[in-house]
Amino acid sequence: EADIYQTPRYLVIGTGKKITLECSQTMGHDKMYWYQQDPGMELHLIHYSYGVNSTEKGDLSSESTVSRIRTEHFPLTLESARPSHTSQYLCASSLSDSTDTQYFGPGTRLTVL
Amino acid sequence: GDSVTQMEGPVTLSEEAFLTINCTYTATGYPSLFWYVQYPGEGLQLLLKATKADDKGSNKGFEATYRKETTSFHLEKGSVQVSDSAVYFCALSTSGSRLTFGEGTQLTVNP
Repeated sequence: EADIYQTPRYLVIGTGKKITLECSQTMGHDKMYWYQQDPGMELHLIHYSYGVNSTEKGDLSSESTVSRIRTEHFPLTLESARPSHTSQYLCASSLSDSTDTQYFGPGTRLTVL
Repeated sequence: GDSVTQMEGPVTLSEEAFLTINCTYTATGYPSLFWYVQYPGEGLQLLLKATKADDKGSNKGFEATYRKETTSFHLEKGSVQVSDSAVYFCALSTSGSRLTFGEGTQLTVNP
């Protein structure tokens, strides 16, 4: 069973608020990822990290930012939330090889009013 | 660039029916191929994978064979159950462990 956690599971906030979505894993994985999932199910990579102090933007442009100060922790921050940020956010982690499985957290469903 | 194309959904079947979800890919090099499943209200979990040509991945009655000549990785199950209702994603990974996902296929199995 994968040990990757996301909090909160659900979040409803007003426009302009600053929010941080938490993601933690206890598997010692170097690589971590954030995906945004449309209501139509499609997944878009928005950020990834290959280790501590390493962060990169993904395929879909996002106004969010991430940090990787500790191996196990990869939080995502929105400085000023807008209704267009309403989505499901999924965090994942993996070992270093391309054959390795990505393990996903349960997701955070964000609604910005 | 890399891409994955899945058959369009949604797919609706009766219990015990045969399932096929088609997946084809375009990639440089030799990708690893994956099927992930997402149950309602949850994150994705790995269903099966294959890392080289002609490998067959299998799990929970699902199977998929890595076909390099047709660049395909079709998912099959001989007899679906109501509990198989979920969204299924085909994906590939080349260098760096980044996954490229297909669009997802919603499967509904009726009793």
